[in-house]
Amino acid sequence: DSGVTQTPKHLITATGQRVTLRCSPRSGDLSVYWYQQSLDQGLQFLIQYYNGEERAKGNILERFSAQQFPDLHSELNLSSLELGDSALYFCASSESGTSGKHYEQYFGPGTRLTVT
Amino acid sequence: EDQVTQSPEALRLQEGESSSLNCSYTVSGLRGLFWYRQDPGKGPEFLFTLYSAGEEKEKERLKATLTKKESFLHITAPKPEDSATYLCAVRRDSSASKIIFGSGTRLSIRP
Repeated sequence: DSGVTQTPKHLITATGQRVTLRCSPRSGDLSVYWYQQSLDQGLQFLIQYYNGEERAKGNILERFSAQQFPDLHSELNLSSLELGDSALYFCASSESGTSGKHYEQYFGPGTRLTVT
Repeated sequence: EDQVTQSPEALRLQEGESSSLNCSYTVSGLRGLFWYRQDPGKGPEFLFTLYSAGEEKEKERLKATLTKKESFLHITAPKPEDSATYLCAVRRDSSASKIIFGSGTRLSIRP
């Protein structure tokens, strides 16, 4: 158990809908990362938040957005869903500070999104 | 262009048959190389971090090594429970978020 939690585990929705995925980082971790994993794309970095502020963006679509709240949990919002958005969505967190370990990411169990 | 390439894509071994997985990278300014294990439908599990050429890390039957162009994950006398996908990732500058993952090696150990 990595200490990172994600809800829900599974989500089935229709095209055009909007969903919200939730992540709670490990205790003490200030950084949260979101990844998308599909069969043909592998693990793709979407976005990172650090202590409530956006730190970096990867291959995140404009239909997707995220935020990190004062209690450090994060939410990933996916809107106008398309069939191609079906994938596993992972959240990861990392330590903060100057030690080398703040680059090691610990992943949650993921949310499997199915768009029909 | 920064790239991380893992080989082979899939590897089937007999229990006890040792082998190595390869991760080759072309990134400017490597700041760290990471190995993860991923079981089907689950999140990647952190295994090792390597920072400089010549560094080695060990954990049970796994040993990771790093050169200036590639990393190897050696698995000694594997057991069926070692079956998983092994992912390699590199951090390429001072930002922790700029991590690039390889596509992984699917390892299957037959009893």
